Amino acid sequence: SAVISQKPSRDICQRGTSLTIQCQVDSQVTMMFWYRQQPGQSLTLIATANQGSEATYESGFVIDKFPISRPNLTFSTLTVSNMSPEDSSIYLCSANTGGNTEAFFGQGTRLTVV
Amino acid sequence: GENVEQHPSTLSVQEGDSAVIKCTYSDSASNYFPWYKQELGKGPQLIIDIRSNVGEKKDQRIAVTLNKTAKHFSLHITETQPEDSAVYFCAATPPSGTYKYIFGTGTRLKVLA
Repeated sequence: SAVISQKPSRDICQRGTSLTIQCQVDSQVTMMFWYRQQPGQSLTLIATANQGSEATYESGFVIDKFPISRPNLTFSTLTVSNMSPEDSSIYLCSANTGGNTEAFFGQGTRLTVV
Repeated sequence: GENVEQHPSTLSVQEGDSAVIKCTYSDSASNYFPWYKQELGKGPQLIIDIRSNVGEKKDQRIAVTLNKTAKHFSLHITETQPEDSAVYFCAATPPSGTYKYIFGTGTRLKVLA
């Protein structure tokens, strides 16, 4: 199993600023992902964080808005850039060790943009 | 691409009764189907999963069934307890090599004491 720690757990930010969310896994994992979850909604995949290379973004998400880093097999960051109130959401980090295996989730970062 | 539909969106049951949540998927090549439980303020946690070479799997009060022909799978919770109250998500993983999950829209289960 894997334990995922996300920081911060919540934040209130001014529009136009950026926030970087950190995701730390307690063991090496193959895949890391970032999701967005609007209140009461399902999980929408933002991107796959690739170790040592550029992230793979899903349709509707772009690198300029959501730059992602993954310098090693246990750590990743997601930055929400030039924030607007529409970016208010819960952001979740996820990791797994390969195909058809359990995906583990962090507790999420609740972001409010004012 | 894969699309997962989930029903119902909300479900209320009396404590001790059974609850059933259903999902359908579109990509017949999908081969792994996990179910996640999300409690308020927490990340989703796996409660049970099933692979495409199995038709049913059980773990105490929880069971999952898979019908590959009809492309649907269901979560069954028996003898429900108040602590089962949460949001449940199904997911499917197409065999694209990307290991991505496609999640259903979620079911809010309330177990009434």
